[in-house]
Amino acid sequence: QKEVEQNSGPLSVPEGAIASLNCTYSDRVSQSFFWYRQYSGKSPELIMSIYSNGDKEDGRFTAQLNKASQYVSLLIRDSQPSDSATYLCAVIDRGSTLGRLYFGRGTQLTVWP
Amino acid sequence: SQTIHQWPATLVQPVGSPLSLECTVEGTSNPNLYWYRQAAGRGLQLLFYSIGIDQISSEVPQNLSASRPQDRQFILSSKKLLLSDSGFYLCAWSVQIIKGTDTQYFGPGTRLTVL
Repeated sequence: QKEVEQNSGPLSVPEGAIASLNCTYSDRVSQSFFWYRQYSGKSPELIMSIYSNGDKEDGRFTAQLNKASQYVSLLIRDSQPSDSATYLCAVIDRGSTLGRLYFGRGTQLTVWP
Repeated sequence: SQTIHQWPATLVQPVGSPLSLECTVEGTSNPNLYWYRQAAGRGLQLLFYSIGIDQISSEVPQNLSASRPQDRQFILSSKKLLLSDSGFYLCAWSVQIIKGTDTQYFGPGTRLTVL
C-alpha cells in the first residue's frame, strides 16, 4: 500500500506571502505527481502535474519534485485569500495500466488579508 | 472539451433505503472511470474503478456496487444504505495516453446524508 503523507495543517499565511505545501511518498516506483485544490464543499480540481525532477511553474504556482528524496512540494507565490482551500497531493505508480491515484489527506491552507 | 456530470447533487436517504448515483462523461471515448468517497474530515477513498464496459474492480468490500452499462456512464448503487455510507461521492475520469501519466478529473460530486 502506497503511503502519501501531507501535513494536515492548517497552514496560515498572510496575503502576498509564499505558501509552501509539502508531500512525501513511500516508494520509488511512483511516476507522476499531482496537486489538486479542493474548496470547502466542492470537488477537487487539478492545479499541477509534474513527472520529472526539478521545478515546474504555472503562473503563481510552482511544483518541485525530488524523486531521490521522495518529496514533492507546491509553492504558491503572492498568496491570495481565494487560495484558501485544502490542497491534495496524489501520485501514480510507474507502469500503472489503470492510472490509480494515491492521495494524501490534504493540507488546509488559509490566506488572511 | 470533456465534461463530467453527476447527479443528484445532494441526497438525503433513510437507513436501509436503496441508492443510485449516476456519472456521465462527455467528449472522450473509453475513459477509465472511478468512484471515490470522502467522509467528513477524511481523505479520498477509492471505491471502484473501471477500464471498460462491464469491467469493474472493487477496492473496498462493502454494501456498495458499481456498474458501467455504457462506455461513458458509471453508476454507484446500494440495496440498503448504512449510516456509515454518508459522505461526498466523487466520480472521476482519465484517459491513459502514456502509461503512468494519467490525469484524473473529478465531477462535481454528490453529497449523501443517511439518517
